[in-house]
Amino acid sequence: AQTVTQSQPEMSVQEAETVTLSCTYDTSENNYYLFWYKQPPSRQMILVIRQEAYKQQNATENRFSVNFQKAAKSFSLKISDSQLGDTAMYFCASKGNYGGSQGNLIFGKGTKLSVKP
Amino acid sequence: EPEVTQTPSHQVTQMGQEVILRCVPISNHLYFYWYRQILGQKVEFLVSFYNNEISEKSEIFDDQFSVERPDGSNFTLKIRSTKLEDSAMYFCASSTGTGASSGGYTFGSGTRLTVV
Repeated sequence: AQTVTQSQPEMSVQEAETVTLSCTYDTSENNYYLFWYKQPPSRQMILVIRQEAYKQQNATENRFSVNFQKAAKSFSLKISDSQLGDTAMYFCASKGNYGGSQGNLIFGKGTKLSVKP
Repeated sequence: EPEVTQTPSHQVTQMGQEVILRCVPISNHLYFYWYRQILGQKVEFLVSFYNNEISEKSEIFDDQFSVERPDGSNFTLKIRSTKLEDSAMYFCASSTGTGASSGGYTFGSGTRLTVV
């Protein structure tokens, strides 16, 4: 079974600074996908960034980037130039690729990020 | 940008009553999901649906729950006899395929269900 662990329940960062959120996972799959979702106070789940495990290159999306360490099963999210609007709950998630079946998202418990002015 | 639409945004129901949560997935998506998030806890998978049938379900998705795609656009989650512990945020999601290249999942804004 897949598991996703986020060891930081809460973090804070000053506006314009950089913050890194940690995530580790466990899977027996050879190919899988990893995601970071943002959940602002509105409770909507918004995809921030995704990574396919067979790709060596770390994914980046504007101010968001990941450090994907496949051997260590680590998938951290770096937010550069933090903005007040980044304040939210951040969930790390994994999804297997079970040879054609859908697979489902396995979420971590989340990290509450507060960006301070 | 296409959206997954969920209605209602908030529903209050009495324990033992039946509720139906509604979702309109993105029109060209083929896979549909329901997830649940109890307040302050992580998001949990309930069920996935493809080609008019359930393809996977979790332990949470017991006989109290059912899903249906009654027409070409709606995707519903029914809870037959609600319990206090069913109080949660329920998210619908859809995707075009199974891989990350499909864009992952697009989530709706959720329905907050409160059972009293």
